[in-house]
Amino acid sequence: AQKVTQAQTEISVVEKEDVTLDCVYETRDTTYYLFWYKQPPSGELVFLIRRNSFDEQNEISGRYSWNFQKSTSSFNFTITASQVVDSAVYFCALSVPSGGSYIPTFGRGTSLIVHP
Amino acid sequence: NAGVTQTPKFRILKIGQSMTLQCAQDMNHNYMYWYRQDPGMGLKLIYYSVGAGITDKGEVPNGYNVSRSTTEDFPLRLELAAPSQTSVYFCASRAGTDNQPQHFGDGTRLSIL
Repeated sequence: AQKVTQAQTEISVVEKEDVTLDCVYETRDTTYYLFWYKQPPSGELVFLIRRNSFDEQNEISGRYSWNFQKSTSSFNFTITASQVVDSAVYFCALSVPSGGSYIPTFGRGTSLIVHP
Repeated sequence: NAGVTQTPKFRILKIGQSMTLQCAQDMNHNYMYWYRQDPGMGLKLIYYSVGAGITDKGEVPNGYNVSRSTTEDFPLRLELAAPSQTSVYFCASRAGTDNQPQHFGDGTRLSIL
């Protein structure tokens, strides 16, 4: 069975601090995809990044960066110089093949609060 | 481009009532999903569909039914509403066979009293 663990329920930082959100996953599949989504206070879910299991390259997008390590089954997300607008719940998700489709499993989410 | 549209945004039901949550997408996506989000629990998959006429159960299907008669629409039906079904419901869709990211609707907040 697939599992995604986001051990940090809530993180509170002051603006301009760097913050890392942890994501650990479990699967026996060798082909899978990992995602991060952002859910701001308004409630909608916004896609941030997708990574497949064969691509361990880290990625940077502006103040956001992602560190994918298959050896530790982790896909961590770092926000550099956090801003108040980064306050949101962040979800890590794992998607594995099943019957010709991919079935997603979400973590419980990490609530990030950035104080001015 | 509207993306994924969910209606209604809010609803209060009495125990035992039934209702249908509507979901429509205009992106010609084959894959559609229904999730429920409970506080601190992330998103749980209720049902999903890989194309018109094909649906399958997710992790928490009990108490719900779905249909997919067209590519655009994926309604979720609650037949006998129970307090345990109080939640926020999200519909999502995605394109392609290489696991593209999902596009989410704005959610339906449902309370069963």
